[in-house]
Amino acid sequence: DAKTTQPTSMDCAEGRAANLPCNHSTISGNEYVYWYRQIHSQGPQYIIHGLKNNETNEMASLIITEDRKSSTLILPHATLRDTAVYYCIVRGRAGNMLTFGGGTRLMVKP
Amino acid sequence: NAGVTQTPKFRILKIGQSMTLQCTQDMNHNYMYWYRQDPGMGLKLIYYSVGAGITDKGEVPNGYNVSRSTTEDFPLRLELAAPSQTSVYFCASSEAGTGPYEQYFGPGTRLTVT
Repeated sequence: DAKTTQPTSMDCAEGRAANLPCNHSTISGNEYVYWYRQIHSQGPQYIIHGLKNNETNEMASLIITEDRKSSTLILPHATLRDTAVYYCIVRGRAGNMLTFGGGTRLMVKP
Repeated sequence: NAGVTQTPKFRILKIGQSMTLQCTQDMNHNYMYWYRQDPGMGLKLIYYSVGAGITDKGEVPNGYNVSRSTTEDFPLRLELAAPSQTSVYFCASSEAGTGPYEQYFGPGTRLTVT
């Protein structure tokens, strides 16, 4: 599975959009980009995933660049409850193992 | 659905003791996983199972054993506890197949070995 690079930490004002970047320059054609988050030592929670196209669900949007070497997770209106560690993970379609890096610690401030 | 449940929530072991961490899921998922998370770090895969009777090693299997006799349960066994096994343990499950299925995680078991 491709390796990912994320900033260690970010701040965001409550009510504003949080944009979390992820680099995955060695991603291959059949590998998906996944985002999970972990709130205060709870079990990780799935957010969204994508292959080539941009994706949106009730939690977030995922923007993947055309060359697929990077992506951005967007939380459109961040709340204090979105304070968490966000993990960007790349893995193949057939594989089910998730490789968690250090993630980005997002702090949403009032 | 309760999802993925884990027991106990907390446990303190003495060096050399053994214990079993319990994990149960009620989503009829074939795939189940055990991860550990050390302070300030990401999760690392210990063992996983693709169905009843089938298990395989992950990234950090040493010191642990697993079994999968039913679809619902996937217990993790520590035979001779060591301080290096102090960690938070998460169990997860997902659907089978070739799709990009999400993993559902339990609340974790916080283990301290002293």
